[in-house]
Amino acid sequence: DVKVTQSSRYLVKRTGEKVFLECVQDMDHENMFWYRQDPGLGLRLIYFSYDVKMKEKGDIPEGYSVSREKKERFSLILESASTNQTSMYLCASYNEKLFFGSGTQLSVL
Amino acid sequence: DQQVKQNSPSLSVQEGRISILNCDYTNSMFDYFLWYKKYPAEGPTFLISISSIKDKNEDGRFTVFLNKSAKHLSLHIVPSQPGDSAVYFCAASGQVQGAQKLVFGQGTRLTINP
Repeated sequence: DVKVTQSSRYLVKRTGEKVFLECVQDMDHENMFWYRQDPGLGLRLIYFSYDVKMKEKGDIPEGYSVSREKKERFSLILESASTNQTSMYLCASYNEKLFFGSGTQLSVL
Repeated sequence: DQQVKQNSPSLSVQEGRISILNCDYTNSMFDYFLWYKKYPAEGPTFLISISSIKDKNEDGRFTVFLNKSAKHLSLHIVPSQPGDSAVYFCAASGQVQGAQKLVFGQGTRLTINP
């Protein structure tokens, strides 16, 4: 079974902090994604990556950046966290279908 | 611009009965459709999919129907069980404006009552 691991299940940060969300997959997938899930809005794509050191903006990239230094690891970075970034963040890798991690519930106070 | 819509935020069904979850899409370039199920505090898990060349796909208690002319798909669960209580997301995939896209709906929270 594919395993997608997100390093934190719950995070609480303060406005203005720099936040790193880490994601690791163990199936050598080339494609990895970061989504956020908000009530009534579904899953919205923030950034994705097709290969190491490659990144593409999704539908809502503002306020976020990403890093893909190794194939198995895809990091989401909030340069200066804001309260409207309080959300459930989901990482996924892709091979014919998306495999999701368990999610990180981030609260920005 | 919501390209994939699940117009029912919630649905409540009696155990043993059929659950029907609906999803509409607007872009005719979508050619592959998926349903995901999500429990609280967990990531979504893949449930079932259908290609646009088909109009029906079954997997055990789960059947997905696709009506391309109406740009509508539905997920049928029968018989419904308490463990089916979850949020269900539909997703549509295809080449949109030169890029491969996967777009999710807003989700429908299904509650199965004993």
